[in-house]
Amino acid sequence: DAGVIQSPRHEVTEMGQEVTLRCKPISGHNSLFWYRQTMMRGLELLIYFNNNVPIDDSGMPEDRFSAKMPNASFSTLKIQPSEPRDSAVYFCASSFYRGNLGYGYTFGSGTRLTVV
Amino acid sequence: AQSVSQHNHHVILSEAASLELGCNYSYGGTVNLFWYVQYPGQHLQLLLKYFSGDPLVKGIKGFEAEFIKSKFSFNLRKPSVQWSDTAEYFCAVNPPAGNKLTFGGGTRVLVKP
Repeated sequence: DAGVIQSPRHEVTEMGQEVTLRCKPISGHNSLFWYRQTMMRGLELLIYFNNNVPIDDSGMPEDRFSAKMPNASFSTLKIQPSEPRDSAVYFCASSFYRGNLGYGYTFGSGTRLTVV
Repeated sequence: AQSVSQHNHHVILSEAASLELGCNYSYGGTVNLFWYVQYPGQHLQLLLKYFSGDPLVKGIKGFEAEFIKSKFSFNLRKPSVQWSDTAEYFCAVNPPAGNKLTFGGGTRVLVKP
């Protein structure tokens, strides 16, 4: 298994531009999570999906952030317009859950976003 | 609020020293427990996990953790650390309902050569 695949690995963009981050979860996993990590705030959960349905988006900072999961093998996190304070490493993770209990995450390698 | 607490934010030790990182959680009921490691510049990787059975769990790279239900604890240990163990370590708990992990704040471990 190739693991959780994220793209791009690095993204540098100018303030005001749209940024799209992509994630392919592990085949067979039915949950997908988007996290943001910064030195100041640590690891923050932005949103997660079960069976492609958004369950909890309370961590999404503001309306500039949106996430979709059109099918079981693909998810996007979009920032529009981007701001310098969005600079962070964005991780995608997937997991399998059954019986209302999860079995741990596998993380992708992350996308390092720099907004200048 | 339900939470996961890691007692130490930073730990500095020398090679060959023993390491123990504390983790306590506040959930009642059946939980799944995890330790993740994040090496500098990398993503979080699973070190070990506990679902049920023997409360002493062995993971990769010589790490082990002990689940003590009465203390709501899941402490991580390694008898003899190496410089390559320099990383940030995260405890995580899957609470009784749902599949969203709650992470502790992390402990940064620096092993001096």
